Amino acid sequence: DAKTTQPNSMESNEEEPVHLPCNHSTISGTDYIHWYRQLPSQGPEYVIHGLTSNVNNRMASLAIAEDRKSSTLILHRATLRDAAVYYCILRDSITDKLIFGTGTRLQVFP
Amino acid sequence: DSGVTQTPKHLITATGQRVTLRCSPRSGDLSVYWYQQSLDQGLQFLIHYYNGEERAKGNILERFSAQQFPDLHSELNLSSLELGDSALYFCASSRSGTGRNQPQHFGDGTRLSIL
Repeated sequence: DAKTTQPNSMESNEEEPVHLPCNHSTISGTDYIHWYRQLPSQGPEYVIHGLTSNVNNRMASLAIAEDRKSSTLILHRATLRDAAVYYCILRDSITDKLIFGTGTRLQVFP
Repeated sequence: DSGVTQTPKHLITATGQRVTLRCSPRSGDLSVYWYQQSLDQGLQFLIHYYNGEERAKGNILERFSAQQFPDLHSELNLSSLELGDSALYFCASSRSGTGRNQPQHFGDGTRLSIL
């Protein structure tokens, strides 16, 4: 299973942009990059995913490096509700399971 | 609200006992996944069912078993419980059985405490 590396924690102020990095140097050509987040006392929540091109949705943007060995989740304006653990996951192409790492704990300050 | 329902929310029992956790997937979703989240192991994949059939197994103990019924709800059975089984158990569902670009939708979990 391909692995990802994320910083343990990051901090942001409310209404500022947040860039959450993820390294995945062993990614294969068919692996999708998925991001999930887990708010306190809740189950993980899907955020965004992509393969090669940058992606945008109502929650966030995903910027993928040209060599696909790294990606960045961008929250354009952090809110207090965005405080969570963010997981960068390479989607297993055979069994479809999600392999969670330790994630990045994002703190947002008012 | 993800649309995935897990019951019960909390379960307290003793070592050696057996419990059943239940999951109702989102309407229209055919796949159900079970995950375990403990403090020392993090979130770990246990098992995947698609339309009633087992598709993949992860780090699931032999004391644990699961099934998916014709109405697509799923149950995770944990037996001969040990203190180390105390954890959050999450169920997730997705539309189909495979597809790297399909999100999984998680329930709020069942917190199992073994005394």
